[in-house]
Amino acid sequence: TQLLEQSPQFLSIQEGENLTVYCNSSSVFSSLQWYRQEPGEGPVLLVTVVTGGEVKKLKRLTFQFGDARKDSSLHITAAQPGDTGLYLCAGGSSYKLIFGSGTRLLVRP
Amino acid sequence: ETGVTQTPRHLVMGMTNKKSLKCEQHLGHNAMYWYKQSAKKPLELMFVYSLEERVENNSVPSRFSPECPNSSHLFLHLHTLQPEDSALYLCASSRGQAGTEAFFGQGTRLTVV
Repeated sequence: TQLLEQSPQFLSIQEGENLTVYCNSSSVFSSLQWYRQEPGEGPVLLVTVVTGGEVKKLKRLTFQFGDARKDSSLHITAAQPGDTGLYLCAGGSSYKLIFGSGTRLLVRP
Repeated sequence: ETGVTQTPRHLVMGMTNKKSLKCEQHLGHNAMYWYKQSAKKPLELMFVYSLEERVENNSVPSRFSPECPNSSHLFLHLHTLQPEDSALYLCASSRGQAGTEAFFGQGTRLTVV
């Protein structure tokens, strides 16, 4: 069974701080995606990484895919209250996605 | 607009009722999915349809019955549910190839009383 473990589960920080969220697995994935979900809404795709060692930047968000394609990290610089939400990583396997348990982020003004 | 529309957004049903959730995608995708999201649990994949054929059923109880009449529509028929089935039910679609991104609807918040 393929599993994705995310850490931390909860994170409460002050506006302006930096943070890193981790997504780890013992399985190799063909790709890894990060989603953000707000209360009462479905997850929205942020980024897809497919190559081991790949780094992608999306404004203040930096995503990295591990060399062995088993893990990934999301780093947010100078967090803002608008970054508050549930962050989910998902590994691509065949025709489906396996989701991690999520990291719930609260950025306090 | 996400391109994936789910109705209804909220549903309250008794344990003896029969209801259906509807999902429609306007993205030209080949694969559609039902996920269940409960508090304190990861997103659980329930069913996968690829080109209108069910390719996965993740040991979901028979009180949940999916239907995919064409590549744009997906239904989840519900009957004799239990209170523990209360959750957010999310529909998603993708191009259907390995590792492709999923586009989600806004979900149906289901409460079984």
